[in-house]
Amino acid sequence: AQSVTQLGSHVSVSEGALVLLRCNYSSSVPPYLFWYVQYPNQGLQLLLKYTSAATLVKGINGFEAEFKKSETSFHLTKPSAHMSDAAEYFCAVSVLNAGGTSYGKLTFGQGTILTVHP
Amino acid sequence: GAGVSQTPSNKVTEKGKYVELRCDPISGHTALYWYRQSLGQGPEFLIYFQGTGAADDSGLPNDRFFAVRPEGSVSTLKIQRTERGDSAVYLCASSSTPTDTQYFGPGTRLTVL
Repeated sequence: AQSVTQLGSHVSVSEGALVLLRCNYSSSVPPYLFWYVQYPNQGLQLLLKYTSAATLVKGINGFEAEFKKSETSFHLTKPSAHMSDAAEYFCAVSVLNAGGTSYGKLTFGQGTILTVHP
Repeated sequence: GAGVSQTPSNKVTEKGKYVELRCDPISGHTALYWYRQSLGQGPEFLIYFQGTGAADDSGLPNDRFFAVRPEGSVSTLKIQRTERGDSAVYLCASSSTPTDTQYFGPGTRLTVL
């Protein structure tokens, strides 16, 4: 079974500073990896996803993440934080099912709340 | 185009009552997923439909929970004899194929008093 660990339930940065949100996964087979963002009272929105192509994945709003198999990590970064980045961020993993027909369910981490200070 | 919609947005019920939560996926999406998000937690998988059939219901916590998708589009999550521990946000997602990105709805916040 696969799992996800997000290190740090709360991260606080100043506007303009580097954003680094950590995600480590556990999977016995090659995974797909995702970062979703959830703004207050809104649904989950996909930021970016890794699907076994390029290991450095660029997403929306200037975010990117790097898949590192040796470290089983998929950390999310943004060079310069903006006030509008304040939200909760979820890392998720899915794997191909036994029949090879679907990636089915997502397994999510606990989430990291990002606060951006002026 | 329209995204995933869920109704109602909020549902308050009493312990022991029956509730139904509805999900309208993006038009043409064959795969539909239900998740439950408790306060301070990440979403947890409940059930996945491919077309009309449940391809994976391993996340349903017990037999009080049931979901249907009779025509391969709209889905209803049904909870019998609700308990206070069922209080959570229930999220629905859909994808165009089983290997494609899942798009989430805004959720239904269920409160069991």
